[in-house]
Parts: sequence; structure tokens; C-alpha cells
Amino acid sequence: GEKVEQHESTLSVREGDSAVINCTYTDTASSYFPWYKQEAGKGLHFVIDIRSNVDRKQSQRLIVLLDKKAKRFSLHITATQPEDSAIYFCAASGASNYQLIWGSGTKLIIKP
Amino acid sequence: EAAVTQSPRNKVAVTGGKVTLSCNQTNNHNNMYWYRQDTGHGLRLIHYSYGAGSTEKGDIPDGYKASRPSQENFSLILELATPSQTSVYFCASGDGLGGDEQYFGPGTRLTVL
Repeated sequence: GEKVEQHESTLSVREGDSAVINCTYTDTASSYFPWYKQEAGKGLHFVIDIRSNVDRKQSQRLIVLLDKKAKRFSLHITATQPEDSAIYFCAASGASNYQLIWGSGTKLIIKP
Repeated sequence: EAAVTQSPRNKVAVTGGKVTLSCNQTNNHNNMYWYRQDTGHGLRLIHYSYGAGSTEKGDIPDGYKASRPSQENFSLILELATPSQTSVYFCASGDGLGGDEQYFGPGTRLTVL
């Protein structure tokens, strides 16, 4: 079945620098790629998504890039702030019934 | 603001016992989902529902049942709990299939002894 791999289990960056989290997927039919954020002890909440008809999307300090040829997508957080510290999950829509297949999460640490 | 609540927030059960996890959403969303979260696995879909009266198997349905008696409520039932079902369970709701924003509850931490 489809897999989504999230390559960095932990990422540490200095406050103000950019953070990049990378994911790859296996199913060429995937067309929807959301990102979610999970703060300690809480449920996930949606941060940004991208669909396969575009290769870049930006929302304030968040940028998502999609490379369909490489089956890779990435979340870029610019000018990081302490409140960006959390676990970030990527996901891809499944081909058979459009359920989401999730990556294993990246813990982002923002150092002062 | 979308709202998904779960109860209980924490549960300790014995092996072989029955456990029911409840989820309520006030978003009027058609779709609801149950996931489990384990370290190193991300989220895995157990069951989902398109609306009242419907339940569908997700990727890991074995050992779990689901019930959607109304638009607002979606339950996950472990008829015979096992230690391997110790996990954090999340309920979510959304408007569409997969390609929609999902709204998550705060999670239920289940320990099966």
C-alpha cells in the first residue's frame, strides 16, 4: 500500500532561521498533501495544504513545495518563532478512497 | 470554531474487557475518523464514517468496531481489549474525503493492562 515517509524525526533550528521538513510518498495518484501541527498533549490542527495542480503554496511564514516527479513535498517555515515548536505531520491522499496516509512526524525545536 | 470533543481523556482497562471511546463534533461535518497514534507510526486510520449510520474500515480495523448513531457522535469500541491496543486515540471530523481539512479532538490515552 501507499507509504508516506517523513525524513527528519527531529529538527532543531535557531529562532529566526528557516526550518525545512521533507516528506516523500509512493503513490503517483496522490493529489492532496496537507500538513498538521501537534503541540504537546494536544490534538493535531491543520496548518497548510497543497494540491497536485500547483507546485508551490504560501501562507504567511509557511511555504509548501511539491515535486511530483520526485514524489516529494516539503514544508518551509521562515523566520521561526518559539511558538513554532511542535510536532509536524505530513500526509498524502490515498489513491483508492482518498483517505489520508500519514508520515511519522517531525519534532521541531526552536532554540533561542 | 470547529469543535471535536472526546471522552474519556484517559482510560485504564484490563485485558479482555470492553472499552468504548466516544467522540462528539459540533461542526455538522459528514465525515468522522478514528485514528491511533503510536511513536514511529504517525497516525493510522482505524475506522471512518460518511454520515449517520455508516461505518467503514480503515487501514487497521482488526479488533475494533465503530458506531455512528448520529451526525454528531462516533464511537470506537474495543470488545476484547488487548495490551497491543494501548495507544493514544484521536477522533476527527471533516467535510470531504481525504482532501479536506480535518478537525481533531484532544485525544484519549488508553492503557490496557
